[in-house]
Amino acid sequence: ETGVTQTPRHLVMGMTNKKSLKCEQHLGHNAMYWYKQSAKKPLELMFVYSLEERVENNSVPSRFSPECPNSSHLFLHLHTLQPEDSALYLCASSQDRRSPLHFGNGTRLTVT
Amino acid sequence: GENVEQHPSTLSVQEGDSAVIKCTYSDSASNYFPWYKQELGKGPQLIIDIRSNVGEKKDQRIAVTLNKTAKHFSLHITETQPEDSAVYFCAATSGGGADGLTFGKGTHLIIQP
Repeated sequence: ETGVTQTPRHLVMGMTNKKSLKCEQHLGHNAMYWYKQSAKKPLELMFVYSLEERVENNSVPSRFSPECPNSSHLFLHLHTLQPEDSALYLCASSQDRRSPLHFGNGTRLTVT
Repeated sequence: GENVEQHPSTLSVQEGDSAVIKCTYSDSASNYFPWYKQELGKGPQLIIDIRSNVGEKKDQRIAVTLNKTAKHFSLHITETQPEDSAVYFCAATSGGGADGLTFGKGTHLIIQP
């Protein structure tokens, strides 16, 4: 049982849809992250929140919009995605930015 | 920035044998090197990590070695079991933890019965 829960586990959406991915951590951590995992590529960091403040945005297209309403919850809002955005989206948390990462099981996103 | 190379991409070993996965990094300032195991349908799970002030760390059948001079580190799994089958990722950072992690592309470890 992971301390980081992601919903939904699978999502299929058209290019004109708007959807949101949800992440909740039960570990009392202060930092949360979104990563993108594509086949044959290293994990790509998308966003970092520390104490609910966005501290990093790695040149991610504006069709991805993160939201961190509190230290336990993280959202990734999606709109007008492209087929190449199909991937596994992983949420992670850490006690602080110098502590190890703990990952959720991801949302498998397919854009049609 | 940091660049992490991981080899091999696929490794098949007989059950009971040892497995070794190697990673090299480019940034001499890197000081934290975690290893993650990802099973099918799950997220990566931290299995062991090492900091630059030590050369080796062990946890039961798993060990990690670090050579700072050569800028490479390795994961060693002894007495492999079927449940060791997974994708393993190495990573490196100069940030000491989650900050600034650069990941390798992963090694698919297959344990043959």
